[in-house]
Amino acid sequence: DARVTQTPRDKVTEMGQEVTMRCQPILGHNTVFWYRQTMMQGLELLAYFRNRAPLDDSGMPKDRFSAEMPDATLATLKIQPSEPRDSAVYFCASGRESGINEQFFGPGTRLTVL
Amino acid sequence: DQQVKQNSPSLSVQEGRISILNCDYTNSMFDYFLWYKKYPAEGPTFLISISSIKDKNEDGRFTVFLNKSAKHLSLHIVPSQPGDSAVYFCAASVTNFGNEKLTFGTGTRLTIIP
Repeated sequence: DARVTQTPRDKVTEMGQEVTMRCQPILGHNTVFWYRQTMMQGLELLAYFRNRAPLDDSGMPKDRFSAEMPDATLATLKIQPSEPRDSAVYFCASGRESGINEQFFGPGTRLTVL
Repeated sequence: DQQVKQNSPSLSVQEGRISILNCDYTNSMFDYFLWYKKYPAEGPTFLISISSIKDKNEDGRFTVFLNKSAKHLSLHIVPSQPGDSAVYFCAASVTNFGNEKLTFGTGTRLTIIP
C-alpha cells in the first residue's frame, strides 16, 4: 500500500556535522511538508512544497536548514552545521492539493546531535 | 503563539470507559479540524475530521464535536480499548485552494488501563 518513506530512521551525529534527511512522498501527491516534533511545540511546520515549489519555509532556521525537492519523488531536509538543539524527530508528510487538508506522514527520522 | 492548544499532556482512562480529549483554538479563520493518532516510533495517522459547517462527526467508536462559539473541539472514544493508547494530535486548517497547511497542537498522551 502507498506510504511515505523516510531515511534514515535514526541518525546520531556530532555537533557541526551536516545532516541530510530524505523523504519519498506518496506517488501522485503534490504537496510535501517537513515537520519537527518537540515536547514544547508539538508538530512544528518547517517547510512546505506544492508541485516541488517551496511555498513556506518560515518555520525553518534559515542560517542552517535548507529544504529542496530535486524531483517529484524526493524531498530533502539538510542541516549544516548541526547543533544539539536540533535533536528531535523529523517527519515528512505528503498530500493532494484538494482543499481538504489530510496529510499522510512518514515514520520519521530521529536525529540526535551530540 | 500557539494557535491550537491541547492543555492536557496526558490522560488515563479505564478500558471500556469513555475517553474525552480536548482541543482549543484561537484563530477564527480555521474551518476544518482533524485528529491524528500517533504510536511510538511511527508517524501520525489520520483518525477523523470535521468541517466547521458541522458540529458532530462520528466514525465507529470515535466522535468529534465542534463548538465554534467556544473555539473548542473534543474527541470522544467509546468504549476505550487498550489499542487506543497513543498520543493524539489535534490539527486545524483554513481550507482554500492554495493553502494546505495544518496547525497542530502539542498532543495528549492517552493511556488505557486494562
